[in-house]
Amino acid sequence: AQRVTQPEKLLSVFKGAPVELKCNYSYSGSPELFWYVQYSRQRLQLLLRHISRESIKGFTADLNKGETSFHLKKPFAQEEDSAMYYCALSPSGNTGKLIFGQGTTLQVKP
Amino acid sequence: NAGVTQTPKFRVLKTGQSMTLLCAQDMNHEYMYWYRQDPGMGLRLIHYSVGEGTTAKGEVPDGYNVSRLKKQNFLLGLESAAPSQTSVYFCASGTAAYNEQFFGPGTRLTVL
Repeated sequence: AQRVTQPEKLLSVFKGAPVELKCNYSYSGSPELFWYVQYSRQRLQLLLRHISRESIKGFTADLNKGETSFHLKKPFAQEEDSAMYYCALSPSGNTGKLIFGQGTTLQVKP
Repeated sequence: NAGVTQTPKFRVLKTGQSMTLLCAQDMNHEYMYWYRQDPGMGLRLIHYSVGEGTTAKGEVPDGYNVSRLKKQNFLLGLESAAPSQTSVYFCASGTAAYNEQFFGPGTRLTVL
Protein backbone atom coordinates (compact mmCIF):
# COMPACT_ATOMS: atom_id res chain seq x y z
CA ALA A 1 0.00 0.00 0.00
CA GLN A 2 1.14 3.53 -0.72
CA ARG A 3 1.14 5.57 2.43
CA VAL A 4 2.77 8.61 3.99
CA THR A 5 2.89 8.91 7.76
CA GLN A 6 3.66 12.00 9.78
CA PRO A 7 3.57 10.81 13.39
CA GLU A 8 3.38 14.24 15.04
CA LYS A 9 0.24 16.36 14.83
CA LEU A 10 1.93 19.25 16.60
CA LEU A 11 5.56 20.14 17.12
CA SER A 12 6.26 23.07 19.39
CA VAL A 13 9.77 24.52 19.73
CA PHE A 14 11.38 27.74 20.86
CA LYS A 15 12.96 30.18 18.42
CA GLY A 16 16.53 29.18 17.68
CA ALA A 17 16.00 25.53 18.52
CA PRO A 18 16.56 22.77 15.94
CA VAL A 19 13.52 21.36 14.20
CA GLU A 20 12.90 17.91 12.76
CA LEU A 21 9.55 17.07 11.22
CA LYS A 22 9.25 13.35 10.67
CA CYS A 23 7.93 11.65 7.56
CA ASN A 24 7.87 7.95 6.78
CA TYR A 25 6.54 6.41 3.63
CA SER A 26 5.44 3.06 2.31
CA TYR A 27 5.95 2.49 -1.40
CA SER A 28 7.32 -0.45 -3.35
CA GLY A 29 8.96 1.51 -6.17
CA SER A 30 11.14 4.61 -6.35
CA PRO A 31 8.96 7.50 -5.26
CA GLU A 32 9.47 11.18 -5.63
CA LEU A 33 9.06 12.93 -2.27
CA PHE A 34 8.09 16.47 -1.39
CA TRP A 35 7.45 18.78 1.50
CA TYR A 36 4.58 21.26 1.11
CA VAL A 37 3.87 24.09 3.54
CA GLN A 38 0.75 26.08 4.36
CA TYR A 39 1.33 29.34 6.21
CA SER A 40 -1.60 30.98 7.96
CA ARG A 41 -4.07 32.44 5.45
CA GLN A 42 -1.90 31.37 2.52
CA ARG A 43 -2.14 28.63 -0.07
CA LEU A 44 -0.44 25.32 0.17
CA GLN A 45 2.88 25.61 -1.64
CA LEU A 46 5.89 23.47 -2.44
CA LEU A 47 8.75 23.83 0.02
CA LEU A 48 11.22 21.36 -1.40
CA ARG A 49 11.58 18.09 -3.28
CA HIS A 50 14.12 15.35 -2.72
CA ILE A 51 15.33 15.29 -6.32
CA SER A 52 16.56 18.86 -6.14
CA ARG A 53 18.58 18.28 -2.97
CA GLU A 54 18.15 21.98 -2.27
CA SER A 55 17.82 24.03 0.88
CA ILE A 56 14.83 26.34 1.02
CA LYS A 57 14.42 28.85 3.86
CA GLY A 58 17.09 26.90 5.73
CA PHE A 59 15.16 23.62 5.54
CA THR A 60 16.68 20.42 4.17
CA ALA A 61 15.34 16.91 3.78
CA ASP A 62 17.25 13.75 2.96
CA LEU A 63 15.65 10.69 1.48
CA ASN A 64 16.65 7.58 3.43
CA LYS A 65 15.52 4.62 1.36
CA GLY A 66 16.65 2.10 3.95
CA GLU A 67 14.46 3.62 6.64
CA THR A 68 11.86 4.84 4.11
CA SER A 69 12.00 8.28 5.65
CA PHE A 70 12.15 11.87 4.41
CA HIS A 71 12.47 13.99 7.54
CA LEU A 72 12.49 17.79 7.27
CA LYS A 73 15.16 19.58 9.28
CA LYS A 74 16.22 23.08 10.15
CA PRO A 75 19.06 23.87 12.55
CA PHE A 76 17.58 27.09 13.99
CA ALA A 77 13.81 27.64 13.92
CA GLN A 78 12.36 31.09 13.28
CA GLU A 79 8.93 32.36 14.30
CA GLU A 80 7.99 32.76 10.63
CA ASP A 81 8.44 29.00 10.19
CA SER A 82 5.21 28.43 12.11
CA ALA A 83 2.90 26.67 9.67
CA MET A 84 1.34 23.36 8.68
CA TYR A 85 3.79 21.05 6.93
CA TYR A 86 2.78 18.16 4.70
CA CYS A 87 5.01 15.40 3.43
CA ALA A 88 3.88 14.00 0.07
CA LEU A 89 4.79 11.15 -2.21
CA SER A 90 4.36 11.01 -5.97
CA PRO A 91 4.07 7.44 -7.24
CA SER A 92 5.73 6.55 -10.50
CA GLY A 93 3.55 7.00 -13.57
CA ASN A 94 2.72 10.09 -15.52
CA THR A 95 -0.19 11.54 -13.56
CA GLY A 96 1.50 13.84 -11.07
CA LYS A 97 -0.72 12.50 -8.28
CA LEU A 98 0.35 13.17 -4.71
CA ILE A 99 -0.27 11.11 -1.60
CA PHE A 100 -0.14 13.36 1.44
CA GLY A 101 0.63 12.63 5.05
CA GLN A 102 -1.62 13.83 7.83
CA GLY A 103 0.32 17.04 8.32
CA THR A 104 2.31 18.45 11.24
CA THR A 105 1.68 21.87 12.72
CA LEU A 106 4.95 23.54 13.63
CA GLN A 107 4.66 26.18 16.32
CA VAL A 108 7.76 28.28 16.96
CA LYS A 109 7.52 30.18 20.22
CA PRO A 110 9.43 33.42 20.84
CA ASN B 1 -1.63 35.63 -13.64
CA ALA B 2 -4.26 34.61 -11.12
CA GLY B 3 -2.87 31.07 -10.87
CA VAL B 4 -5.50 28.68 -9.53
CA THR B 5 -8.83 30.15 -8.48
CA GLN B 6 -11.76 28.45 -6.77
CA THR B 7 -15.42 29.44 -6.62
CA PRO B 8 -17.11 29.79 -4.16
CA LYS B 9 -14.92 30.44 -1.11
CA PHE B 10 -17.59 29.34 1.38
CA ARG B 11 -20.85 27.46 1.13
CA VAL B 12 -23.41 25.99 3.50
CA LEU B 13 -25.68 23.24 2.17
CA LYS B 14 -28.48 21.20 3.61
CA THR B 15 -28.32 17.42 3.38
CA GLY B 16 -29.49 16.29 -0.04
CA GLN B 17 -28.77 19.53 -1.86
CA SER B 18 -26.45 19.61 -4.83
CA MET B 19 -23.73 22.02 -5.82
CA THR B 20 -20.76 22.47 -8.13
CA LEU B 21 -17.34 23.78 -7.17
CA LEU B 22 -15.42 25.49 -9.94
CA CYS B 23 -11.66 25.45 -10.32
CA ALA B 24 -9.91 27.54 -12.96
CA GLN B 25 -6.22 27.84 -13.82
CA ASP B 26 -4.48 30.18 -16.23
CA MET B 27 -1.11 28.42 -16.39
CA ASN B 28 -1.99 26.08 -19.27
CA HIS B 29 -1.41 23.05 -17.03
CA GLU B 30 -2.38 19.62 -18.30
CA TYR B 31 -3.10 18.10 -14.91
CA MET B 32 -5.76 19.14 -12.42
CA TYR B 33 -6.77 17.68 -9.06
CA TRP B 34 -9.44 17.93 -6.39
CA TYR B 35 -8.54 17.20 -2.76
CA ARG B 36 -10.40 17.38 0.49
CA GLN B 37 -8.68 18.41 3.71
CA ASP B 38 -9.96 17.07 7.02
CA PRO B 39 -8.38 17.41 10.48
CA GLY B 40 -5.99 14.56 11.19
CA MET B 41 -6.42 13.14 7.68
CA GLY B 42 -4.24 15.44 5.60
CA LEU B 43 -5.24 16.02 1.99
CA ARG B 44 -6.95 13.18 0.20
CA LEU B 45 -7.34 13.02 -3.56
CA ILE B 46 -10.95 12.90 -4.75
CA HIS B 47 -10.62 12.95 -8.55
CA TYR B 48 -8.04 14.11 -11.02
CA SER B 49 -7.58 14.82 -14.71
CA VAL B 50 -4.54 14.42 -16.93
CA GLY B 51 -6.04 16.34 -19.82
CA GLU B 52 -9.09 17.97 -21.31
CA GLY B 53 -11.95 15.50 -21.53
CA THR B 54 -10.34 12.94 -19.20
CA THR B 55 -10.99 12.25 -15.53
CA ALA B 56 -10.02 9.52 -13.08
CA LYS B 57 -10.87 8.48 -9.54
CA GLY B 58 -8.61 9.25 -6.65
CA GLU B 59 -8.58 7.89 -3.12
CA VAL B 60 -12.04 9.09 -1.98
CA PRO B 61 -14.27 9.53 -5.07
CA ASP B 62 -17.62 8.32 -3.70
CA GLY B 63 -20.33 10.97 -3.67
CA TYR B 64 -18.49 13.24 -6.10
CA ASN B 65 -18.40 13.69 -9.86
CA VAL B 66 -16.08 15.79 -11.98
CA SER B 67 -15.83 17.18 -15.47
CA ARG B 68 -13.02 18.72 -17.49
CA LEU B 69 -14.65 20.09 -20.61
CA LYS B 70 -12.07 22.84 -21.00
CA LYS B 71 -8.37 22.58 -20.23
CA GLN B 72 -8.45 25.49 -17.83
CA ASN B 73 -11.49 24.38 -15.79
CA PHE B 74 -12.12 21.42 -13.49
CA LEU B 75 -15.56 21.11 -11.90
CA LEU B 76 -16.39 19.10 -8.79
CA GLY B 77 -20.02 18.16 -8.27
CA LEU B 78 -21.89 16.93 -5.24
CA GLU B 79 -25.20 15.46 -6.38
CA SER B 80 -26.69 14.85 -2.94
CA ALA B 81 -24.64 16.42 -0.17
CA ALA B 82 -24.10 14.56 3.09
CA PRO B 83 -22.72 15.84 6.42
CA SER B 84 -19.65 13.62 5.87
CA GLN B 85 -18.76 15.89 2.96
CA THR B 86 -18.22 18.84 5.26
CA SER B 87 -14.62 19.73 4.54
CA VAL B 88 -12.23 22.17 2.94
CA TYR B 89 -11.81 21.45 -0.75
CA PHE B 90 -8.63 22.29 -2.60
CA CYS B 91 -8.04 22.34 -6.31
CA ALA B 92 -4.55 22.07 -7.75
CA SER B 93 -2.93 22.02 -11.17
CA GLY B 94 0.39 20.83 -12.51
CA THR B 95 2.38 19.74 -15.53
CA ALA B 96 4.01 16.55 -16.69
CA ALA B 97 7.29 18.34 -17.25
CA TYR B 98 7.72 19.62 -13.72
CA ASN B 99 6.22 17.57 -10.92
CA GLU B 100 4.91 20.38 -8.73
CA GLN B 101 1.29 21.14 -7.90
CA PHE B 102 -0.07 24.67 -7.58
CA PHE B 103 -2.97 25.03 -5.21
CA GLY B 104 -6.05 27.20 -5.08
CA PRO B 105 -7.17 29.03 -1.92
CA GLY B 106 -9.72 26.41 -0.95
CA THR B 107 -13.50 26.22 -0.54
CA ARG B 108 -14.96 25.67 2.91
CA LEU B 109 -18.11 23.58 2.61
CA THR B 110 -20.48 22.82 5.47
CA VAL B 111 -23.30 20.33 5.05
CA LEU B 112 -25.98 20.53 7.72
